Amino acid sequence: EPEVTQTPSHQVTQMGQEVILRCVPISNHLYFYWYRQILGQKVEFLVSFYNNEISEKSEIFDDQFSVERPDGSNFTLKIRSTKLEDSAMYFCASSEGHYRSYEQYFGPGTRLTVT
Amino acid sequence: KNQVEQSPQSLIILEGKNCTLQCNYTVSPFSNLRWYKQDTGRGPVSLTIMTFSENTKSNGRYTATLDADTKQSSLHITASQLSDSASYICVVSAQTSYDKVIFGPGTSLSVIP
Repeated sequence: EPEVTQTPSHQVTQMGQEVILRCVPISNHLYFYWYRQILGQKVEFLVSFYNNEISEKSEIFDDQFSVERPDGSNFTLKIRSTKLEDSAMYFCASSEGHYRSYEQYFGPGTRLTVT
Repeated sequence: KNQVEQSPQSLIILEGKNCTLQCNYTVSPFSNLRWYKQDTGRGPVSLTIMTFSENTKSNGRYTATLDADTKQSSLHITASQLSDSASYICVVSAQTSYDKVIFGPGTSLSVIP
């Protein structure tokens, strides 16, 4: 069964460094998303991406974040200058069609630890 | 303010028993409500999706109900199994935009032998 994959599973970085989290969505899906979950807290929406551009983003998704689909398969989340409070599990998701009507499939997550 | 609340916060049940998890929301205008199962350290997995016009949806041993008037939903699990131990998250989205996707805090379910 097709699945969303994410790499790395765990990333440790120092405060102020840039990190890139990678995701490979399900191949025929058109909509892509990033979520984060701080330990012990709710999952929070970050951004959605469709047709090679951001379609929606939350208040959390500020200028230090960016997303890109550099080729036909990868979908990346870049955090330019990491802060301690960026430590969280980051989930990528994809869906075949618009979120309102289609299932979202989540990846296993990347645990980001900022020291 | 758009909010999703869930109860109980945690629940322990014996294998084979049934249980019901609750979700109350104030998200408006309502688009759809989803229940997800999240195993520890894993991504959420969709169980059910319900729109305004649907008041019940089943997926195997999982049955979700929705009362759009009272803004309440429930997830009923029948004949629980040890593998049902997970966090169950209620997610409500608004009709207008993605950034109105509101996740509940989840109910942590433990099924014991």
